[in-house]
Amino acid sequence: DVKVTQSSRYLVKRTGEKVFLECVQDMDHENMFWYRQDPGLGLRLIYFSYDVKMKEKGDIPEGYSVSREKKERFSLILESASTNQTSMYLCASSLSVGQGAGNTIYFGEGSWLTVV
Amino acid sequence: TQLLEQSPQFLSIQEGENLTVYCNSSSVFSSLQWYRQEPGEGPVLLVTVVTGGEVKKLKRLTFQFGDARKDSSLHITAAQPGDTGLYLCAGARGGRGPTLGRLYFGRGTQLTVWP
Repeated sequence: DVKVTQSSRYLVKRTGEKVFLECVQDMDHENMFWYRQDPGLGLRLIYFSYDVKMKEKGDIPEGYSVSREKKERFSLILESASTNQTSMYLCASSLSVGQGAGNTIYFGEGSWLTVV
Repeated sequence: TQLLEQSPQFLSIQEGENLTVYCNSSSVFSSLQWYRQEPGEGPVLLVTVVTGGEVKKLKRLTFQFGDARKDSSLHITAAQPGDTGLYLCAGARGGRGPTLGRLYFGRGTQLTVWP
């Protein structure tokens, strides 16, 4: 079974702190993703990576950065946390597959971040 | 702007009823997936549909991909309390380059089935 592990389930941080959310996958997937999920807004893509050291902005990258130094690990960084970044963060991974084949995404359990 | 529009946003029904959730877009997708998410957990894949007009069945769940590959539906027959959860549709645009692996998600349908 594919396993996507997020390092922290629940975090409480203060405004202005630097926050690291870590994610590890064990299936040698090329693609990794960071989403945030808020009620009524669904899943919104923050950043994704299709290879080591490669990254692409998603729909809401402002206030976030990412790091992918190893294939299995994808980190999300909040440089200076703000209260509007309170949310559930979901990490995911997938194989890089051809057009039409479907890109099944495997999700971690989520990290609940509260910024106070 | 949401690429995939899901409806309804909320659905509250009694056990034994049937229901349909819709996922619509003006864009063509190379494939479309349905995920289910339970509280406190990440979404889990239910099905992938790839061919226009394709119908897939998973026990009491029937998934259909529109002929033009712009829309999809999820039909549940005789819903049970265990079906309660957030249902998400997600589409792949295909193409080339770094965005090949990306899925575009709808906002989800929160289903509650009462005993």
